[in-house]
Amino acid sequence: KQEVTQIPAALSVPEGENLVLNCSFTDSAIYNLQWFRQDPGKGLTSLLLIQSSQREQTSGRLNASLDKSSGRSTLYIAASQPGDSATYLCAVRMNRDDKIIFGKGTRLHILP
Amino acid sequence: NAGVTQTPKFRILKIGQSMTLQCTQDMNHNYMYWYRQDPGMGLKLIYYSVGAGITDKGEVPNGYNVSRSTTEDFPLRLELAAPSQTSVYFCASSSAEGPNQPQHFGDGTRLSIL
Repeated sequence: KQEVTQIPAALSVPEGENLVLNCSFTDSAIYNLQWFRQDPGKGLTSLLLIQSSQREQTSGRLNASLDKSSGRSTLYIAASQPGDSATYLCAVRMNRDDKIIFGKGTRLHILP
Repeated sequence: NAGVTQTPKFRILKIGQSMTLQCTQDMNHNYMYWYRQDPGMGLKLIYYSVGAGITDKGEVPNGYNVSRSTTEDFPLRLELAAPSQTSVYFCASSSAEGPNQPQHFGDGTRLSIL
């Protein structure tokens, strides 16, 4: 059974720092991996999706990497801003028409 | 752009009552999903649908029912509300044009069972 783990559960960093969020999964035979952002009281917003054949995806100050063999993904946020404060969730899809399995998320707080 | 719309946003139910959580999307997406999110936890899939007339159980389907009579709508029904169903419910959709399309989420329905 696939399990997705995100460590740490919460993280506080000063504004301007670069930071890395971690996601690990137990079954490396994934179809794709997605990073989401969730603001308080809101739904999820998709940030980046990495296909199983890809190593990384970039969008603005965000870079997500995928290492299937080790069962790990990282989300790198450059030059963090207070507006980046949110919960970040990692999710994996195992097969084309299969469900998506979520981690519990990392609550990020950027200190002004 | 409306995207995925969920109603109501908040609801309080008594034990044993029933209700339907509504979800509609205007993006012509084939795939639709219902998740629940409990405090400090990730999302758990309740039911999903790959197209009109087709539904499948997710990880935690007990106590819920769904239907998919149209592409746009995917209502979730609670028949006999229980305190364990207190949660935030999210509906999501994605395009059938390749599962490497991202999911789009609604803003959620916050449900309390007292």
